[in-house]
Amino acid sequence: AQKVTQAQTEISVVEKEDVTLDCVYETRDTTYYLFWYKQPPSGELVFLIRRNSFDEQNEISGRYSWNFQKSTSSFNFTITASQVVDSAVYFCALSEGGGGADGLTFGKGTHLIIQP
Amino acid sequence: DVKVTQSSRYLVKRTGEKVFLECVQDMDHENMFWYRQDPGLGLRLIYFSYDVKMKEKGDIPEGYSVSREKKERFSLILESASTNQTSMYLCASSLDYSSNQPQHFGDGTRLSIL
Repeated sequence: AQKVTQAQTEISVVEKEDVTLDCVYETRDTTYYLFWYKQPPSGELVFLIRRNSFDEQNEISGRYSWNFQKSTSSFNFTITASQVVDSAVYFCALSEGGGGADGLTFGKGTHLIIQP
Repeated sequence: DVKVTQSSRYLVKRTGEKVFLECVQDMDHENMFWYRQDPGLGLRLIYFSYDVKMKEKGDIPEGYSVSREKKERFSLILESASTNQTSMYLCASSLDYSSNQPQHFGDGTRLSIL
């Protein structure tokens, strides 16, 4: 069975600090997809990134970066120079096989608080 | 941009009522999903559908059913609402199986069962 663990329930940092959100996953499939979603206080889930199991390249998008390591089954998310607008709940998710048709298995989320 | 619209943002119903939660997407997506979100539990998949009139059980289907009569609309039905179904319900859609595109979510319906 697949499982996603986000061990950090809540993280609080001061604005401009860097912060890393951890995600560890379990799956028996060799083909799978990993995702990160952001849920701001308004409630909607915003898609951030998708990674397939064959692509271990790290990715950077502005202040956001993702570190995918199959050896440790981790897909960590780093925000550099955090801003108050980054305050949200962040979810890591896993989909075995197809990334679109199958339902996602979500972690329990990490509540990130950026203090001014 | 993909738009997934859930009919109600907030809903209050009574125990035993039959409750309908509606979701519509405007991008001709084949796949649609219903999740519930509870504090400390994250999001859990209730049902999904990969075609009109098709449905598949997710991880927690008990007490729920779904209907997909048209491609753009996916309804979640609580046959006889109970207080333990008080939750935030999120609908999502994705393009199709082969393209492996991500799921896009609606704003959610916060349902309270009294």
